[in-house]
Amino acid sequence: DGGITQSPKYLFRKEGQNVTLSCEQNLNHDAMYWYRQDPGQGLRLIYYSQIVNDFQKGDIAEGYSVSREKKESFPLTVTSAQKNPTAFYLCASSNGGALSYEQYFGPGTRLTVT
Amino acid sequence: GENVEQHPSTLSVQEGDSAVIKCTYSDSASNYFPWYKQELGKRPQLIIDIRSNVGEKKDQRIAVTLNKTAKHFSLHITETQPEDSAVYFCAASRRGTGNQFYFGTGTSLTVIP
Repeated sequence: DGGITQSPKYLFRKEGQNVTLSCEQNLNHDAMYWYRQDPGQGLRLIYYSQIVNDFQKGDIAEGYSVSREKKESFPLTVTSAQKNPTAFYLCASSNGGALSYEQYFGPGTRLTVT
Repeated sequence: GENVEQHPSTLSVQEGDSAVIKCTYSDSASNYFPWYKQELGKRPQLIIDIRSNVGEKKDQRIAVTLNKTAKHFSLHITETQPEDSAVYFCAASRRGTGNQFYFGTGTSLTVIP
């Protein structure tokens, strides 16, 4: 199923709580990405990481944090500072090699904050 | 940064007709243009892509064309079938920037049987 997994599929939290979304890949890909998807707005990049222990902010990083301690894992924390956290979150990975540009997506986590 | 615009936002066609979705981009250095299909509640999946050294690419009923001068690229689906109904996203990317993708806002395609 693509070798990239996200958990849980659905997540419910109260406002003011931090929540961490999991993303794991067994594709041996160097690069990993987090996107947020809202209706009518396409996919917007939150953070990305090209190698272990390194990551960069995307277009909408405010209120989010990430870590990349292992090549296989790229968890995303949605903090209480994120003003509108309810959304569908997609993780992706890419080997970034000269012969491959494709990003492979996980199944997504739908986060609802009330 | 890069800005990708996608049109139309919704598209309805009769089964068997063709569908065309168009995207424009702003960064002339972008050199990779994938198209993703996303069915309801599922992950986006790559259906076709094109690199800047190619003007057209075809895979069975799906084709993509690229006009670098005008900075636009299009997805063409021929002989549409109900299972083609989904949201389609275009994207643009430039090597050397972490393979960061800039996505269009999506086109919801409905194929009417």
